[in-house]
Amino acid sequence: QQQVKQSPQSLIVQKGGISIINCAYENTAFDYFPWYQQFPGKGPALLIAIRPDVSEKKEGRFTISFNKSAKQFSLHIMDSQPGDSATYFCAAPRGANNLFFGTGTRLTVIP
Amino acid sequence: KAGVTQTPRYLIKTRGQQVTLSCSPISGHRSVSWYQQTPGQGLQFLFEYFSETQRNKGNFPGRFSGRQFSNSRSEMNVSTLELGDSALYLCASSWGDTLNTEAFFGQGTRLTVV
Repeated sequence: QQQVKQSPQSLIVQKGGISIINCAYENTAFDYFPWYQQFPGKGPALLIAIRPDVSEKKEGRFTISFNKSAKQFSLHIMDSQPGDSATYFCAAPRGANNLFFGTGTRLTVIP
Repeated sequence: KAGVTQTPRYLIKTRGQQVTLSCSPISGHRSVSWYQQTPGQGLQFLFEYFSETQRNKGNFPGRFSGRQFSNSRSEMNVSTLELGDSALYLCASSWGDTLNTEAFFGQGTRLTVV
């Protein structure tokens, strides 16, 4: 059974600071690791994903770093903004076209 | 382009009843997955359908079932509802024709069992 361990459970960051969320997985047959962002009352929205033929992927203020040997990947949010306050989920392939999700990190960015 | 549409948004049912939730995927997407989200268990995979066939199934009891129609719309059914079935039920659609294509979620159906 694939497990995805996500930390921290909650995170408070000052506006302009860097938010870092970490995930570790056990085993996966497929190389695809997405991050989802969820606001209250909404479904999760795909934020950024990495296919580990690369060790890092950057999209705007969001960066995924991937360490295949350690089976870890992390999300970095640069210049965090109050609008980034949401719950973030990492995920790893459970099988073809379905995912194991981490337990979520509730991010609060203080103005 | 319309997103994933789930209906109804909210539902209140009594223990022992059954419920049917509906999901219309993004146009052209053939894979529909269902997830249950609760504060205690997080997001848990229920099942995935592709071209009207169930391809994958999570670890949920047989009271949870689903189906997919030829237009890719999907329904999930929960019979003999229990209080613990109260959750946000999310549907995600993707192209599904290659491994792990991006999945897009609907806003979910909030089910409350009383």
